[in-house]
Amino acid sequence: DADVTQTPRNRITKTGKRIMLECSQTKGHDRMYWYRQDPGLGLQLIYYSFDVKDINKGEISDGYSVSRQAQAKFSLSLESAIPNQTALYFCATSDSVHTDTQYFGPGTRLTVL
Amino acid sequence: QKEVEQNSGPLSVPEGAIASLNCTYSDRVSQSFFWYRQYSGKSPELIMSIYSNGDKEDGRFTAQLNKASQYVSLLIRDSQPSDSATYLCAVKTRGNNRLAFGKGNQVVVIP
Repeated sequence: DADVTQTPRNRITKTGKRIMLECSQTKGHDRMYWYRQDPGLGLQLIYYSFDVKDINKGEISDGYSVSRQAQAKFSLSLESAIPNQTALYFCATSDSVHTDTQYFGPGTRLTVL
Repeated sequence: QKEVEQNSGPLSVPEGAIASLNCTYSDRVSQSFFWYRQYSGKSPELIMSIYSNGDKEDGRFTAQLNKASQYVSLLIRDSQPSDSATYLCAVKTRGNNRLAFGKGNQVVVIP
């Protein structure tokens, strides 16, 4: 079984809809991250969480919110999706000892029409 | 100035040759440096990390770090078609809780 899973893997939605992307991990890591990747661009950090009660904004948090429901679960929400949020979204995890090494989930391809 | 820059366009190398990728970073106090490999449509996968000046070798991969010049490079020896991917450089600064990623360099190994 994959250590970091994301659901859904693909999603097409319409402008203005609320959508939630979910991430679960079995690695036992305390740190979790959400990134987006656009074609030809690097990874941009949206939000990150160092434990259940710690949530931090990343580089591009506007238009997004997150919830850390448990150590193993970190969800990303788009309250009112817009077309320029069409991208590939990755969840990643790391532990507090080897904080630099991040492990990525398989990604969610989101299309906003 | 971008935090992490990878400026080279797609790199085509014949099978068996050496592929060389470069990355520069802007924050002089950066401490940790990483190379991730990403196949098309897949997630990034860590292939190398380096923390000290000099070379670090792992199989066919060698990472080179020069903090004075603020660059880190990746060499792929005996390139194989399976090395065809995009390579992302990532940098973490001291006290910064995040990685900054470059845009990536695409490598195409021609059989």
